[in-house]
Amino acid sequence: DAGVIQSPRHEVTEMGQEVTLRCKPISGHDYLFWYRQTMMRGLELLIYFNNNVPIDDSGMPEDRFSAKMPNASFSTLKIQPSEPRDSAVYFCASNYPGGTEAFFGQGTRLTVV
Amino acid sequence: DQQVKQNSPSLSVQEGRISILNCDYTNSMFDYFLWYKKYPAEGPTFLISISSIKDKNEDGRFTVFLNKSAKHLSLHIVPSQPGDSAVYFCAASDAGGTSYGKLTFGQGTILTVHP
Repeated sequence: DAGVIQSPRHEVTEMGQEVTLRCKPISGHDYLFWYRQTMMRGLELLIYFNNNVPIDDSGMPEDRFSAKMPNASFSTLKIQPSEPRDSAVYFCASNYPGGTEAFFGQGTRLTVV
Repeated sequence: DQQVKQNSPSLSVQEGRISILNCDYTNSMFDYFLWYKKYPAEGPTFLISISSIKDKNEDGRFTVFLNKSAKHLSLHIVPSQPGDSAVYFCAASDAGGTSYGKLTFGQGTILTVHP
């Protein structure tokens, strides 16, 4: 398997624009996680899904953030409208039930100017 | 409130010597602990883990120790190699075994191993 695949790797956008980040989990994994890494807050969990259903979105910072998982092989994280403080590296991760580690994608570096 | 803390932002070690990375936590509900390694421009990769019912887990050059009473864990790397130079994250899970991907991370420690 190619691992967790995220796209794009880099995104630069202007404040106020909509941004969509994409993730393809490892086949067979039924947990999917979105994390964000910033200098101030480190790596923090935003939301996670089990069998395509959102389980815990308490880490989503504001209503401007939304995430979906329409099927087992695809998830999106959307920011609308984007703000400069959303600039960060966003990671997607997946694991299988009972699996003792999560597998991370390479991340999307988002810059909002 | 930072529930997982890595108080040393950086550590420098000579090749062949031992590297010891430390981590403290405050949440008594954490039942599983993991160490991840991260290279620049890559995602974190799993290194080693330990359940709260154990006090030691070893995998090759890597050993993790857990002291529950002190809410402290440490990662030992022996011998250290230049390829070990990376950022090391301590992480903890309170998911009760339902998913070890629901993690609370420390801030990370930059390990540099000098040849």
